[in-house]
Amino acid sequence: AQKITQTQPGMFVQEKEAVTLDCTYDTSDPSYGLFWYKQPSSGEMIFLIYQGSYDQQNATEGRYSLNFQKARKSANLVISASQLGDSAMYFCAMREGNFGNEKLTFGTGTRLTIIP
Amino acid sequence: EAQVTQNPRYLITVTGKKLTVTCSQNMNHEYMSWYRQDPGLGLRQIYYSMNVEVTDKGDVPEGYKVSRKEKRNFPLILESPSPNQTSLYFCASRRQGNSPLHFGNGTRLTVT
Repeated sequence: AQKITQTQPGMFVQEKEAVTLDCTYDTSDPSYGLFWYKQPSSGEMIFLIYQGSYDQQNATEGRYSLNFQKARKSANLVISASQLGDSAMYFCAMREGNFGNEKLTFGTGTRLTIIP
Repeated sequence: EAQVTQNPRYLITVTGKKLTVTCSQNMNHEYMSWYRQDPGLGLRQIYYSMNVEVTDKGDVPEGYKVSRKEKRNFPLILESPSPNQTSLYFCASRRQGNSPLHFGNGTRLTVT
């Protein structure tokens, strides 16, 4: 079974609208962390937001928020008021277990295109 | 400026010719790792290191070697590259605890 599933290969969204990028995960470990990264066309990987499995509140970072639904094992990224510069690939990733675990498992990504 | 530096950015080589991709970080991070990115597969971990002289295999280690003789450097070595190692490679590092990975800018490798 896939550990991280991103079911939207591509999305087109009008500028200034909100965007939700889906991510579901699979783990039996009670301790894990979920990350979102952005990869623009230039290729670099940019960290956006983090959610820990024990965090009581959903993470927020500026226009980014994480809709964390633990029982459903989903960690969707919400981008408010989208901008042209948000056009990129977006990857969801998970680190399981204690913080000595160095393995980060990535989903296959969602390509987001913002339309003017 | 805090960063992870990979070199080269682009590399075209032939089958069997040994090559090394260098990676250096200036953030005193304990953890370093290498990933490869292929279309439709996301990023997959090749090797990682939790500290100097401590390395371990990731999901796709075959055909690769690494070393961690100094904390700041984590080179990726392809002893005998093959065309199926054509990919985009990322080096990354992070500090201990609950922290995100910081990625280098990537190395696009083509093996003919």
